[in-house]
Amino acid sequence: AQSVTQLGSHVSVSEGALVLLRCNYSSSVPPYLFWYVQYPNQGLQLLLKYTSAATLVKGINGFEAEFKKSETSFHLTKPSAHMSDAAEYFCAVSESGGSQGNLIFGKGTKLSVKP
Amino acid sequence: DTEVTQTPKHLVMGMTNKKSLKCEQHMGHRAMYWYKQKAKKPPELMFVYSYEKLSINESVPSRFSPECPNSSLLNLHLHALQPEDSALYLCASSQDLGAVEQYFGPGTRLTVT
Repeated sequence: AQSVTQLGSHVSVSEGALVLLRCNYSSSVPPYLFWYVQYPNQGLQLLLKYTSAATLVKGINGFEAEFKKSETSFHLTKPSAHMSDAAEYFCAVSESGGSQGNLIFGKGTKLSVKP
Repeated sequence: DTEVTQTPKHLVMGMTNKKSLKCEQHMGHRAMYWYKQKAKKPPELMFVYSYEKLSINESVPSRFSPECPNSSLLNLHLHALQPEDSALYLCASSQDLGAVEQYFGPGTRLTVT
């Protein structure tokens, strides 16, 4: 069974500081991994995805994530936080080639950015 | 057009009301999804439609009734809801069930009074 664990329900950084949001996954087959961002009262926007190509994935808004199979991790990073990055971030996993089309979400990490 | 649209944006309904949520996509996607998201929680899958047929029902109470009238449209009919059903309802679509990338709409914020 697949699962996703996001370490830290709330992360606070200063503007200009490094953003690191942690995600570990469990999957019995090679996974597809995603990071979504959700701004208040809005839907989910895809930030980036890993689909078994390059292990370092670049996404929108300056975010990137690295797939590390040995650590079963897919942490999200951004070198310099901006006030507009304040939002809820969800890591999600889906089994590659799965026929259920099912995304399994982590519990989310709320990112706060201090001026 | 890579957009999933949802109407209404907000909905307030009483426990005896009947209302419907609407979701539309024009990307030619053949799989569509309903998710429920409570405050400070991740989305939870409710229903999946594939080629206009119900593929997955995650043990959702019958007061929620999905409908897929055509390949672009997905409805969620609501009847006799409870206050605990208040949540953000998200629609998503994907090329088909085997496609892992889902595109999400902005959601409908439902309040049951």
